[in-house]
Amino acid sequence: DVKVTQSSRYLVKRTGEKVFLECVQDMDHENMFWYRQDPGLGLRLIYFSYDVKMKEKGDIPEGYSVSREKKERFSLILESASTNQTSMYLCASSHPGSPYEQYFGPGTRLTVT
Amino acid sequence: AQTVTQSQPEMSVQEAETVTLSCTYDTSESDYYLFWYKQPPSRQMILVIRQEAYKQQNATENRFSVNFQKAAKSFSLKISDSQLGDAAMYFCAQTQGGSEKLVFGKGTKLTVNP
Repeated sequence: DVKVTQSSRYLVKRTGEKVFLECVQDMDHENMFWYRQDPGLGLRLIYFSYDVKMKEKGDIPEGYSVSREKKERFSLILESASTNQTSMYLCASSHPGSPYEQYFGPGTRLTVT
Repeated sequence: AQTVTQSQPEMSVQEAETVTLSCTYDTSESDYYLFWYKQPPSRQMILVIRQEAYKQQNATENRFSVNFQKAAKSFSLKISDSQLGDAAMYFCAQTQGGSEKLVFGKGTKLTVNP
């Protein structure tokens, strides 16, 4: 079974802090994704990586950056956390091509105070 | 931009009854995939069922089945013999323009009443 893990289930940070959210997958998937999930808004794509050191902006990249130095690890970085970045963050991975199924991590609930 | 619409923010069903969750989508592609994902409370999102657009036959996975109407761009999920463990947020998703990305709907919260 594919396993996607995220470094923290819950995280509390202060405004202005630099925040790192880590995601690791163990199925040698080329594709990895970071989503933000908010009530009533569903899942919105922040960034997508299709290979090591390759990334593509999603729908809401502002205020975020990513790093993918190794195939299995994809990090989301909040350079200067703000209260409007309080949210649930979901990581996912997939193998290229059909059937495009994504496998999700358990999520990190980030609170910025 | 492609959109996925789930018109029912919340639904409820009695245990052992059948419930249908609605999803419509918008695409100009002829070939694409559709998915239903389940997110139980405080638990990981998992795939429930997938449908390939070029296949006319509706996908089925045990108590879960879909009604795929390609011309109407409709992809509803039917849950038969509902169980307490079916209570969750359900998200409909579609592949986006031949890319590896998915577009998700806003979700439907399903409550199962004993």
